[in-house]
Amino acid sequence: DTGVSQNPRHKITKRGQNVTFRCDPISEHNRLYWYRQTLGQGPEFLTYFQNEAQLEKSRLLSDRFSAERPKGSFSTLEIQRTEQGDSAMYLCASSQLGGLSGNTIYFGEGSWLTVV
Amino acid sequence: QKEVEQNSGPLSVPEGAIASLNCTYSDRGSQSFFWYRQYSGKSPELIMSIYSNGDKEDGRFTAQLNKASQYVSLLIRDSQPSDSATYLCAVSGGSYIPTFGRGTSLIVHP
Repeated sequence: DTGVSQNPRHKITKRGQNVTFRCDPISEHNRLYWYRQTLGQGPEFLTYFQNEAQLEKSRLLSDRFSAERPKGSFSTLEIQRTEQGDSAMYLCASSQLGGLSGNTIYFGEGSWLTVV
Repeated sequence: QKEVEQNSGPLSVPEGAIASLNCTYSDRGSQSFFWYRQYSGKSPELIMSIYSNGDKEDGRFTAQLNKASQYVSLLIRDSQPSDSATYLCAVSGGSYIPTFGRGTSLIVHP
């Protein structure tokens, strides 16, 4: 399978705990994105990387959220001191920089977070 | 703030009919336009991309773009029950960060 891979697929955690999600992008893609999606809404942009550089972060990404992409390969998204409002599907996507088609992003299967 | 607007629906069509899904966007500098399909509980799956004014066809799907009117649409011909899903419109510009609408729910009934 050469698609975007995310794990864990599902995570249930108690409020106040930390959680970490991992994303492995499509191998030749140099851009990696994190989005969040709640019920009835479209995906909301959180942050993106070009290679290992984190180039943009949304206002949605509070100081409890941190993302890394060491060596420009896989990425992790950590949420510290989780709150019930963090319950959502966290989507990772990747794309290959270059021309208009470089705007085309491909999603992984998503990581569902439930904070109880 | 860049906005992408879609009617949340649901849009209900009979099997075999043409489903028409619409999307408007606010950023005149947008360059790339996408339609994704999302089944309940699943992640979005790319259907089509379109970059220039006019129509683009791929099988039963046709995307239509009118940059002057800031409008993009998706037509699904010969709709099937398996097409029942939420359809997400996404738009991006020079930043390469797609902005998504909230999606239109499509129901194709037998």
